[in-house]
Amino acid sequence: DVKVTQSSRYLVKRTGEKVFLECVQDMDHENMFWYRQDPGLGLRLIYFSYDVKMKEKGDIPEGYSVSREKKERFSLILESASTNQTSMYLCATNRNDYYEQYFGPGTRLTVT
Amino acid sequence: GENVEQHPSTLSVQEGDSAVIKCTYSDSASNYFPWYKQELGKRPQLIIDIRSNVGEKKDQRIAVTLNKTAKHFSLHITETQPEDSAVYFCAASIGFSGGYNKLIFGAGTRLAVHP
Repeated sequence: DVKVTQSSRYLVKRTGEKVFLECVQDMDHENMFWYRQDPGLGLRLIYFSYDVKMKEKGDIPEGYSVSREKKERFSLILESASTNQTSMYLCATNRNDYYEQYFGPGTRLTVT
Repeated sequence: GENVEQHPSTLSVQEGDSAVIKCTYSDSASNYFPWYKQELGKRPQLIIDIRSNVGEKKDQRIAVTLNKTAKHFSLHITETQPEDSAVYFCAASIGFSGGYNKLIFGAGTRLAVHP
């Protein structure tokens, strides 16, 4: 059974702070994804990684960066948090040879 | 760029009725179409998927149909129950490249099933 965990369920940060969101998976999946979920906008891809130290921009990468130093861990970084980054952040993983993505429980981030 | 449109955004039905959610996609190379269900406060979970070489797939009360010519696919839920209440997301694969694969998601449909 795939297990995808995220470091926090709820997070409150101040404008300008550096924020780290971490995702860990235990199934040796090659690919990991970061999405943000906003009402009426669905799931929008921020960044994804297809291998250690490899990353590609998704549809809305501005204001975010990522790090993948180990296969099981994928971090999303908000260099200087802004109020418009208040959202639900979801991590997902999948294998190269199979499309299904497995999601983490999400982190609800509030930036004040 | 590629996109997936999903309708309706909200759907309210009586218990026992059927519910239909429709999606259209833009990338003609898309070949995998999953549907995810997200209950309140929980993570999205795959409920059914279909590949481009199949026109219809059924799993108990849920079914998905695909029309590749028209680039649209639909989720059908029959005999709805209150536990079907959730947000449903459709998605389409982006053309395979580089050894990895991505999904583009629709905006979601909030389904409410009233007893």
